[in-house]
Amino acid sequence: EAQVTQNPRYLITVTGKKLTVTCSQNMNHEYMSWYRQDPGLGLRQIYYSMNVEVTDKGDVPEGYKVSRKEKRNFPLILESPSPNQTSLYFCASSDTRGANTGELFFGEGSRLTVL
Amino acid sequence: KNQVEQSPQSLIILEGKNCTLQCNYTVSPFSNLRWYKQDTGRGPVSLTIMTFSENTKSNGRYTATLDADTKQSSLHITASQLSDSASYICVVSTAGGYNKLIFGAGTRLAVHP
Repeated sequence: EAQVTQNPRYLITVTGKKLTVTCSQNMNHEYMSWYRQDPGLGLRQIYYSMNVEVTDKGDVPEGYKVSRKEKRNFPLILESPSPNQTSLYFCASSDTRGANTGELFFGEGSRLTVL
Repeated sequence: KNQVEQSPQSLIILEGKNCTLQCNYTVSPFSNLRWYKQDTGRGPVSLTIMTFSENTKSNGRYTATLDADTKQSSLHITASQLSDSASYICVVSTAGGYNKLIFGAGTRLAVHP
């Protein structure tokens, strides 16, 4: 089954404790992206990757890091989480066409709370 | 500034009734417009994608329209079902670059029996 898998789905952590949210897709997609979703706001892009070893900032990259060492994985790293990073996070992937006209496949989301 | 605005914010309808959700955008240059359905606690799922030249596109009981001149889109749901209860997100893609998607805040639809 084609899917984008995120882990963990739920996480409560404390300020400053580094954490990583993993994302893996089994569709051999070149493009992957991370978004955050906050109440009353649309999804906002954090980082995206066009292919292995190619990453770029989205609209709200501050406080986040990513890496793309393998095509299927695109982890999101919070080096020193702060309460304003409490949010619902989504990973998404598509083939390169998806960058403009193709379908974007989303994971199930990771709800992060930073105390 | 590129923006996507959706209305209403929330909507309650009775099962079997039709409804229409609105999306206005100021994104330029325009590439395509997408509608997604997001069930509570789940990731968004694509319903339709429309390019500049497409006025209407259907996916089962969902019909999306696009007026590129007025920069408006609507999503019409026919004969609503309880499973239609979800948030519906309008997303506009800009042209000329990779996947610059601007998301609306969504319309939360509740279908009651």
